[in-house]
Amino acid sequence: GNSVTQMEGPVTLSEEAFLTINCTYTATGYPSLFWYVQYPGEGLQLLLKATKADDKGSNKGFEATYRKETTSFHLEKGSVQVSDSAVYFCALIPTSGGYNKLIFGAGTRLAVHP
Amino acid sequence: EAGVVQSPRYKIIEKKQPVAFWCNPISGHNTLYWYRQNLGQGPELLIRYENEEAVDDSQLPKDRFSAERLKGVDSTLKIQPAELGDSAVYLCASSLGSGAYNEQFFGPGTRLTVL
Repeated sequence: GNSVTQMEGPVTLSEEAFLTINCTYTATGYPSLFWYVQYPGEGLQLLLKATKADDKGSNKGFEATYRKETTSFHLEKGSVQVSDSAVYFCALIPTSGGYNKLIFGAGTRLAVHP
Repeated sequence: EAGVVQSPRYKIIEKKQPVAFWCNPISGHNTLYWYRQNLGQGPELLIRYENEEAVDDSQLPKDRFSAERLKGVDSTLKIQPAELGDSAVYLCASSLGSGAYNEQFFGPGTRLTVL
């Protein structure tokens, strides 16, 4: 079946450190891949997405590249800020099923300290 | 533009009591979703509506959960009776349509605690 696996958190970093949050997926065909972010007390927000192999999604300094050969979509940021502290969810929409059914990973909590 | 509105934000009830959650989607969004997010996990879809029709409710525990979207706008999710294992955050989302490239917009959720 379709599934998403993320690295366990929490990830604790100092401000300006480099961030990587690993995400791998299991799905047939070419799913669309997403990163969502959930700030404290707020709903999930779409951070970035990629819809085909080798695509790079980017937003707010975050990047992720769709790697079909390794079934991965790792999230990276070169220099994190305290305001990036949140929970990050990797997700996919399968190619089968006919609609935008999101399947989420368990989430990775990021804490950035000054 | 207003986002997805949910109420209440928090609810604490005793087990076996009923509870209801309300969602008002973004204006013009035909597709509405209810998700459940257990502690430490990602959201899981419970039910999806296209206008007033429930088109995917395969993950909804129908013995105690029910939902409605009578006029194709706002929606209510009900649990009766609640069990301890129902403690979770219930998220509502909406999108213009349900095609693969339609972004879902999420509300802040209702955190339910069952004692």
